[in-house]
Amino acid sequence: NAGVTQTPKFQVLKTGQSMTLQCAQDMNHEYMSWYRQDPGMGLRLIHYSVGAGITDQGEVPNGYNVSRSTTEDFPLRLLSAAPSQTSVYFCASSYRDRGHRWGTQYFGPGTRLTVL
Amino acid sequence: DAKTTQPPSMDCAEGRAANLPCNHSTISGNEYVYWYRQIHSQGPQYIIHGLKNNETNEMASLIITEDRKSSTLILPHATLRDTAVYYCIVRDYGGATNKLIFGTGTLLAVQP
Repeated sequence: NAGVTQTPKFQVLKTGQSMTLQCAQDMNHEYMSWYRQDPGMGLRLIHYSVGAGITDQGEVPNGYNVSRSTTEDFPLRLLSAAPSQTSVYFCASSYRDRGHRWGTQYFGPGTRLTVL
Repeated sequence: DAKTTQPPSMDCAEGRAANLPCNHSTISGNEYVYWYRQIHSQGPQYIIHGLKNNETNEMASLIITEDRKSSTLILPHATLRDTAVYYCIVRDYGGATNKLIFGTGTLLAVQP
């Protein structure tokens, strides 16, 4: 298994541009999520999904859109990039255990985004 | 806000045990203690988790106090590759959102 993969690894945008960060997992995990990490800080949840067709907001959703059309993919869209969105973005996925509770989350390697 | 308190940094000599403390005095009965680490801005890596009993796996041991208000992650023989930021997180195992609330963690520096 490749686990959780993210593309691109690095990206530089100009203010106002849009782009999509890709996240994919091959573990058939129902749960997927996006976090951002600013310098010297912990990760903060942007959006999450508990299954295909279901998404919800985390603690810092403004300026980002998500969709979940398949179990494997969970892209994050920046509608109009701003310098405040300069950050490292991590995708994570998780499974349901036999008690139908969420199990351990596994993270991708991250996308480093700079908005000029 | 994170429900845990960790020292911002610690040093450990290579080959010695690294003991990383975490306070979680407001933990509730259905919340587990999770430990992740992040090596040089890579994606967080799961280490271990527990509810109230001590746990051990191939990476580390987790000691949770009887009142569950604090815990200690033990890396038995630290190596230079264990230099990382270690995050202690409490998580509602049955929660609907599966959200992990990260604090700023402990930067463990393993010295040669």
